[in-house]
Amino acid sequence: GAGVSQSPRYKVAKRGQDVALRCDPISGHVSLFWYQQALGQGPEFLTYFQNEAQLDKSGLPSDRFFAERPEGSVSTLKIQRTQQEDSAVYLCASSLLSLAGSYEQYFGPGTRLTVT
Amino acid sequence: KQEVTQIPAALSVPEGENLVLNCSFTDSAIYNLQWFRQDPGKGLTSLLLIQSSQREQTSGRLNASLDKSSGRSTLYIAASQPGDSATYLCAVWTTSGTYKYIFGTGTRLKVLA
Repeated sequence: GAGVSQSPRYKVAKRGQDVALRCDPISGHVSLFWYQQALGQGPEFLTYFQNEAQLDKSGLPSDRFFAERPEGSVSTLKIQRTQQEDSAVYLCASSLLSLAGSYEQYFGPGTRLTVT
Repeated sequence: KQEVTQIPAALSVPEGENLVLNCSFTDSAIYNLQWFRQDPGKGLTSLLLIQSSQREQTSGRLNASLDKSSGRSTLYIAASQPGDSATYLCAVWTTSGTYKYIFGTGTRLKVLA
């Protein structure tokens, strides 16, 4: 079946613009994660959804970052008033369920955000 | 706070060589550890998932071991090929009640033909 898809693949935004990044998880996957990956670094956790419930948003770096998954499938990560330090690859992952991470996470190709 | 370290940061080997990538973590209270591969400009591909009760997992030419008490995991790649060139990341899921993987910074592997 289809894997995790993300759009757009590349986004260039001028500083101060708002952006919205979309994630389509694998059908039937309950858990959805967003990560931020800076150049040369490993991914860092941003937020976690179980169905439509956002159970953990401890990794969101500021109140400019907002994520939603209103119907428990597609998710959107929104960044308001983008700053240069927001430039990174944003990765989305989904899994069947995340009881203590017992299931594999499947990652999308990521959205590379460049803020100029 | 859980910290994950991967050594070496980069590795270049001739084709056919067997190699070992290392991952260490500071908090041994983990549920599982997962090894991923990342190709340039791409997302992560899961290679092996080791539950905390397991000591190793194998898939083809890959073997991953886990020593939870010492906070270490190794990824063994047998008979390396140029197609194995990528960045390899390990990630641990801790028992601290959070819902996330903590990633290492990765090992960039280049296998020379």
